[in-house]
Amino acid sequence: DVVMTQTPLSLSVTPGQPASISCKSSQSLLHRDGKTCLYWYLQKPGQSPQLLIYGVSSRFSGVPDRFSGSGSGTDFTLTISRVEAEDVGVYYCMQGIHLPRTFGPGTKVDIK
Amino acid sequence: EVQLLESGGGLVQPGGSLRLSCAASGFTFSSYEMNWVRQAPDKGLEWLSYISSSGTTTYYADSVKGRFTISRDNAKNSLYLQMTSLRAEDTALYYCAREIPRLDAFDVWGHGTMVTVSS
Repeated sequence: DVVMTQTPLSLSVTPGQPASISCKSSQSLLHRDGKTCLYWYLQKPGQSPQLLIYGVSSRFSGVPDRFSGSGSGTDFTLTISRVEAEDVGVYYCMQGIHLPRTFGPGTKVDIK
Repeated sequence: EVQLLESGGGLVQPGGSLRLSCAASGFTFSSYEMNWVRQAPDKGLEWLSYISSSGTTTYYADSVKGRFTISRDNAKNSLYLQMTSLRAEDTALYYCAREIPRLDAFDVWGHGTMVTVSS
């Protein structure tokens, strides 16, 4: 199985400051058709996960532009340019190219 | 409004069975691939199973292969997960999730249904 690792596992951020989460996969997530199957989800407290980013860097509908994704191959990053109070929760990366699909362990983000 | 609503969870003894349902509304269910994902208490997300839009193709995580069966009834806009030989480690909140065609991302999630396996 493809192992997804995330660092850090927890992050405390001052509102208005940037935050970055790293996600690494044990195998390349580049599909032969050229797309890279890496996604980011946010699970806010008490809620179901919600899609933030697909295809490494495409923001899903309604996702604020302070969220951005980057990376390639096996190394990926989610960046929040200016953290807001509503961004608290657990962030998961997920790979969709290999079966079984696997999630990272999650990064818990809270506000200082 | 696009919505997924899971049901069927509950308390079951080890070795028992349970059938989860996921009712879809607000979109053309038969056009979408679907998945089940679970989350054990205070743990992360675990993908369990996938089913194609027609229902002809299915995939499973090794942890549930041979014990769980995913299915769908497009006429009833419903997704199912038949769970047998349940174990304590199957205790979790079970989510159904819609998959965006050709993007493979899960864009709509239900609120989940809790399954507790305990004697």
